[in-house]
Amino acid sequence: AQTVTQSQPEMSVQEAETVTLSCTYDTSENNYYLFWYKQPPSRQMILVIRQEAYKQQNATENRFSVNFQKAAKSFSLKISDSQLGDTAMYFCAFYGGGSNYKLTFGKGTLLTVNP
Amino acid sequence: DVKVTQSSRYLVKRTGEKVFLECVQDMDHENMFWYRQDPGLGLRLIYFSYDVKMKEKGDIPEGYSVSREKKERFSLILESASTNQTSMYLCASISPGQGRYEQYFGPGTRLTVT
Repeated sequence: AQTVTQSQPEMSVQEAETVTLSCTYDTSENNYYLFWYKQPPSRQMILVIRQEAYKQQNATENRFSVNFQKAAKSFSLKISDSQLGDTAMYFCAFYGGGSNYKLTFGKGTLLTVNP
Repeated sequence: DVKVTQSSRYLVKRTGEKVFLECVQDMDHENMFWYRQDPGLGLRLIYFSYDVKMKEKGDIPEGYSVSREKKERFSLILESASTNQTSMYLCASISPGQGRYEQYFGPGTRLTVT
């Protein structure tokens, strides 16, 4: 069974600075997908970024980028130029294939951006 | 844009009541999921469905059942609510045919059982 570990329950960063959220996972699959989701306070969970394991290039979406290290089974999220609106719970998730399309989630990291 | 809606944002029920949580998606997605979210535990899968009238247990199905009579609607049922079912419940859907595999979430229902 796959497991996803987020070792930082809480983090804080000053506005305009850069922060990195960690995620590691365990799998025997070779082809899989990784995701970072964002859940702002009292608001809907939305997808931030996704990475296909067969792609060597790290995914980037504006201020959000990942550092995907397949051999190390590591998938960290870097947020550049942090904004107050980035304050949220961030979840790392894994999809390892299979017809059930289930995601395995980490326990989340609460990120607070301070003014 | 995909829209996943849930019938209530906040719900307060008494112990022993039968509770229905409704989820509707408007993008003809085949697969739908119910999770509960608790602090420090992340998201845990309760049940999922891959077609009308088809369902499978997730990781924590005890005390819950589901119903999917129409493709767009997936209901979570607490047959006899208990205080340990106080939680945030999230519904999600996916269309695997798009090849992207990310799930789309509803806004959540915060259920309190007293």
